Amino acid sequence: GDSVTQMEGPVTLSEEAFLTINCTYTATGYPSLFWYVQYPGEGLQLLLKATKADDKGSNKGFEATYRKETTSFHLEKGSVQVSDSAVYFCALSDRPGNTPLVFGKGTRLSVIA
Amino acid sequence: DAGITQSPRHKVTETGTPVTLRCHQTENHRYMYWYRQDPGHGLRLIHYSYGVKDTDKGEVSDGYSVSRSKTEDFLLTLESATSSQTSVYFCAISGTEKGMELFFGSGTQLSVL
Repeated sequence: GDSVTQMEGPVTLSEEAFLTINCTYTATGYPSLFWYVQYPGEGLQLLLKATKADDKGSNKGFEATYRKETTSFHLEKGSVQVSDSAVYFCALSDRPGNTPLVFGKGTRLSVIA
Repeated sequence: DAGITQSPRHKVTETGTPVTLRCHQTENHRYMYWYRQDPGHGLRLIHYSYGVKDTDKGEVSDGYSVSRSKTEDFLLTLESATSSQTSVYFCAISGTEKGMELFFGSGTQLSVL
């Protein structure tokens, strides 16, 4: 079945450091890919998405590129802030429409000043 | 913010008792989901609904049942709570106009003693 593998955390970075959180996937078709973020005490919210190969999703300085050849969707940000401290989830949906998403296990990011 | 309300926000119960969690939405979205979040497992789908009285099982549905008698309400019932069901439960919704984006509630922290 479909699955998502994320790098294990926690990840601790200093403010203004470069961030990469790796995500690879296994799917039978051509899935849509997502990154969700969960701030402390809250539910998840969509950070960015890409629906086809070579698409780049971006939001709030975060970017991720859908790489079909490596089945990857790594999350990057050039300069993290303390306010980026959260848990980040990679997810996929392999069928069109509102099918349930499959989530990775999440990566906790802590940014220190 | 999407209008999703989960109740209760926190609950402590004893093993063997029935528990019902409620998800209420004001968005008139067709699709509703229940996930559980556990350390080391990320988010796992319990059940989902694609319309009134239309539901389906997710990957961890054993010990849970759901009901959706109105578009706005999706109930999750633990028939006889066990300690392994101690978790944070999230409701999510999605509508066709937003594609596959999920909107999450704030979660219910359930402790089964």
